[in-house]
Amino acid sequence: GAGVSQSPSNKVTEKGKDVELRCDPISGHTALYWYRQSLGQGLEFLIYFQGNSAPDKSGLPSDRFSAERTGGSVSTLTIQRTQQEDSAVYLCASSLERQGSGSPLHFGNGTRLTVT
Amino acid sequence: QKEVEQDPGPLSVPEGAIVSLNCTYSNSAFQYFMWYRQYSRKGPELLMYTYSSGNKEDGRFTAQVDKSSKYISLFIRDSQPSDSATYLCAMINSGYSTLTFGKGTMLLVSP
Repeated sequence: GAGVSQSPSNKVTEKGKDVELRCDPISGHTALYWYRQSLGQGLEFLIYFQGNSAPDKSGLPSDRFSAERTGGSVSTLTIQRTQQEDSAVYLCASSLERQGSGSPLHFGNGTRLTVT
Repeated sequence: QKEVEQDPGPLSVPEGAIVSLNCTYSNSAFQYFMWYRQYSRKGPELLMYTYSSGNKEDGRFTAQVDKSSKYISLFIRDSQPSDSATYLCAMINSGYSTLTFGKGTMLLVSP
C-alpha cells in the first residue's frame, strides 16, 4: 500500500511569510510524528499525535509553530512568520500505535523548506 | 552527556567489506532498539528492530544489543555501493511515545 506522503516536497518562501506543510500518514496508523532534520543536527522531534490529539508537543521550537490533525488522518504543520533558521527538512512519520509499544515508525520523504 | 552518541563519519570502505556501525547510550531504561537507513533526499527507512538484548539477523544485516554496556551495533556483510547512506540508530523505553535518535553515521562504499 501507499507509504507516508508529504507535500510539497520542496518549498521556498520569503522571511516573514507563513507556510503549511502537509502529511498523509499510512491508512490506519493512529500515531503521527513530525520531526525536523537540519544538516549535522540529526532528527529533532517536534510533535506527536495520537488520533487527533497531541499528547506531546514539547518539541515545537516556538509559538510560531503549530500543528493539527483531522479525522485521525491528515496532519498539517504550520510555521508563521518564517525565519531563516526555520530552513530544514520537515519529516512526518506514522505508526500503527505509539512508539514504545513495539510498532515500527514509517517516514515520508520530507518537505525541504528554504527561507530566503 | 548526550542520551545517544553516534560517530558521524563518514566511514569509507571498499565493496565487499564488513561494516560495523555503533551507538552508545546512557539511559538504561531503553528497551527497543532500531536502525534506520537514510538515502540522500529521502526519509529514513526502518532496517532492523530489536527488543532488549541479543542479536538479530536479516540477510546481510545483523543488529546486536549489549544492554550491560549500553552499546548497540549494526553489521553489514559483503557491503555494496548501494549501502552508501546515512545510518541512524534509535531507541525507546516501553511505555514512552517518542524515539531518541542518534545523529547518524554516513557510510560510503566504493566499487
